Parts: sequence; C-alpha cells; structure tokens
Amino acid sequence: DIQMTQSPSSMSASVGDRVTITCRASQGISNFLAWYQQKPGKAPKLLIYAASTLQSGVPSRFSGSGSGTDFTLTISSLQPEDVATYYCQKYNNAPQTFGQGTRLEIK
Amino acid sequence: EVQLLESGGGLVQPGGSLRLSCASSGFIFSAYAMTWVRQAPGKGLDWVSSLSASGDTSNYADSVKGRFTISRDNSKNTLYLQISGLRAEDTAVYYCAKDRSSGGSCHNFWGQGTLVIVSS
Repeated sequence: DIQMTQSPSSMSASVGDRVTITCRASQGISNFLAWYQQKPGKAPKLLIYAASTLQSGVPSRFSGSGSGTDFTLTISSLQPEDVATYYCQKYNNAPQTFGQGTRLEIK
Repeated sequence: EVQLLESGGGLVQPGGSLRLSCASSGFIFSAYAMTWVRQAPGKGLDWVSSLSASGDTSNYADSVKGRFTISRDNSKNTLYLQISGLRAEDTAVYYCAKDRSSGGSCHNFWGQGTLVIVSS
C-alpha cells in the first residue's frame, strides 16, 4: 500500500507568515491528493482536491501544488483562525490513506 | 444544505457488535459514493471503508476487513457500517463522509461523528 508522509508533524508561525506543509507519497498518485483542515473537536473540512483545486468557500490564502509523489499546502498569510491540524489524503485507489497530520499553532 | 447525521455509537464489550447509521439530506444520495473515516482519541484520521453510489463496489482498510460491512439504502438516504468482532483499537469517533463523485474520491462533506468505545 502507498504511504503518505507529512512534514513537519507540528509547527508554529506568526500571524501573517507564509506557511508551507509538505506531503510525500511512497509511490506516484498523479494529482489524486486532497488536503483537509480539522479544528479541535470538529469534523474535518475539505480545503483542496486534485492537488491544487480550491474547494468552494475556502479562503484564497490556501493553495496546493504538486503531482506524482510530492505535494505542498501553502497558507499565504496565516490567520488566527487557521490554527488546526492539516491532513493530506491520497484517493487514486483504496486504501485512501491519510497522512499523519500537521499541527499548526500561532506563535 | 448537505447534512450527515451519524448515530449508533456507544460502549461495547470486546468482541461485540454495533451498527452505525448515517442519515443524509440536502443532496441526491444515490448519486454519490460514501465513506466511513475514524479517529481514535488524540490520533489522526483513519480511512475505514467506502461504498460506490450504486452500492455494488466496496473497499475496506485491511485492519477492518472481514469484521466491518458497509452498506447503503438509497431509498432511505442512509449509509450503514456494521461492525463486529470489536477490539480496543477500534475505539474511535466514526465519521460519515460524502464523496465528490459516484466512485472513489475525496470527501467534501462530513458528519459530526459518533463515538464507539470498546471496553469491558
């Protein structure tokens, strides 16, 4: 099975900073990659699908890129409400494995 | 407005069984694949099982294969997960999620989850 590895596992940044989270697949998955945001005590929320397509209603400061095995989620200007754990997920076939998550905090 | 409401969770002894339900509204249920994802306390997301829109194609994580069964009733707009042979490591919040397409895809709407606790 394909493994999904995120880095870093946790990070802190200041409001207004540019933040980048990476996700690496152990084999190529084309662009079948999604990013989710999960706030404490809440269900996950889809941010980006097809590696770079922004889900409707998601702020434009979120963007995604990559193809094959290496992907990134970028927040162009970190806001206080972006404190959350972020997960990548491959969905080219089953199992639709998630990365282990990246916890993002404000400095 | 898309709504997904899970139910059926609770405290169950090791080896026991439960049936989780996910009542759906606000979209054409029969047109979309559906998925169960779980999250153990303090841990990450764990994909469990997905079922195609028509109900003819299902997939399972290796950790639940042979113990969990996903099904759907398109006439009732409801997704189910029959879970048996429960183990302590199955303790988690179980989320129902709507896929973006009729086959395998990512999940654009999620329920609030139902908690399953496996303990004696």
